[in-house]
Amino acid sequence: GAGVSQSPSNKVTEKGKDVELRCDPISGHTALYWYRQSLGQGLEFLIYFQGNSAPDKSGLPSDRFSAERTGGSVSTLTIQRTQQEDSAVYLCASSPPGGRMGTDTQYFGPGTRLTVL
Amino acid sequence: RKEVEQDPGPFNVPEGATVAFNCTYSNSASQSFFWYRQDCRKEPKLLMSVYSSGNEDGRFTAQLNRASQYISLLIRDSKLSDSATYLCVVNNPNQGGKLIFGQGTELSVKP
Repeated sequence: GAGVSQSPSNKVTEKGKDVELRCDPISGHTALYWYRQSLGQGLEFLIYFQGNSAPDKSGLPSDRFSAERTGGSVSTLTIQRTQQEDSAVYLCASSPPGGRMGTDTQYFGPGTRLTVL
Repeated sequence: RKEVEQDPGPFNVPEGATVAFNCTYSNSASQSFFWYRQDCRKEPKLLMSVYSSGNEDGRFTAQLNRASQYISLLIRDSKLSDSATYLCVVNNPNQGGKLIFGQGTELSVKP
């Protein structure tokens, strides 16, 4: 079946502009996660959703970052007033329902490569 | 100190070699452990979960030492296709579902 999809695959924007990144999880997956990977760095957790609620937003780097999820499916990560240090690959992952949080496999999308000029 | 630490490598080995990756984690409450594989410019994919008793999947063997907070991955008879970055990943269910990733160890298998 279809995996996690993300759009756009690449985004180049100017400093100060807002961007929206989209994630379509695997159908039926209730948990959805956002991570980012900066050049030469490991993956950094941003936020996760269980259904439409976000129990843990602790990884969001600043109040310029926000995310929402509607209908228990698609999620959008919004970055306002982008800065050059926001340049990274933004990865979305989803996992199926039923398991204890964190124990189930997380399936990653291909990511959105964001470049802020 | 990073919560999950790995030797970044790169590890350059010939085909057929045995290679071992080590990882330490700082949060003693961590309960779930994984190795993920990430190919260049691709997303991470689960290689294997790591169980307390140790587990094997073909040429891959994972070990966990909770007392030392240490995880290992052994690859036997390495193949060219094993070239990738190997990510050590932990989770503390008390912190929800987020995965904590090490920086990864790069492996390059040469003919």
